[in-house]
Amino acid sequence: QVQLQQWGAGLLKPSETLSLTCAVHGGSFTGYYWTWIRQPPGKGLEWIAEINHSGGANYNPSLTSRLTVSIDTSNSQFSLRLTSVTAADVAVYYCARGHSYSGSLDPWGQGTLVTVSS
Amino acid sequence: EIVLTQSPGTLSLSPGARATLSCRASQSVSSIYLAWYQQRPGQAPRLLIYGASRRATGIPDRFSGSGSGTDFTLTISSLEPEDFAMYYCHQSGSSPATFGQGTKIDI
Repeated sequence: QVQLQQWGAGLLKPSETLSLTCAVHGGSFTGYYWTWIRQPPGKGLEWIAEINHSGGANYNPSLTSRLTVSIDTSNSQFSLRLTSVTAADVAVYYCARGHSYSGSLDPWGQGTLVTVSS
Repeated sequence: EIVLTQSPGTLSLSPGARATLSCRASQSVSSIYLAWYQQRPGQAPRLLIYGASRRATGIPDRFSGSGSGTDFTLTISSLEPEDFAMYYCHQSGSSPATFGQGTKIDI
């Protein structure tokens, strides 16, 4: 079955850039929306952005000025880049596969805790 | 953006009990784009229900979803020990996609 494996730096200083990558194993890369979600410690889920295999992307308006998502179809990977991080960006970041017919997210990556500290 | 409000915040129940979780949207949501997830501590969320009422692959039939428009419900007919967790509703019909704040089921 499809599995998502994600990685990236977990400790950043204020004003640095957060970079995460998610690899898709065992399934088709086309026909889905590849999605990023985050969850601050002890809080709920926030949708960040999505990108399709053609590179068409949608961003959360609250983050769009700092956010870039990209896709590498040759390696079945997609990436998130968030600039100028602050303490408000501390969260577990998840990647997930979004189904175009329902918008539901399945499966999810294992999550990456990103901490911002000077 | 569409705000999803889940109630109650916490549901204190015993194994074997029936759980009814509510998700209310600030605007009408197409049922196709309403999903429910379960999240256990330290784990990623897991899809339970999509299209408001369709069980995801491998989800036991004690989980069911219903509703339309602005009011949606997740029902667990008889709680198993592994069902004590956090539950989130999610709409993706209107951008940006949004999640409810969650309902925790505890003992």
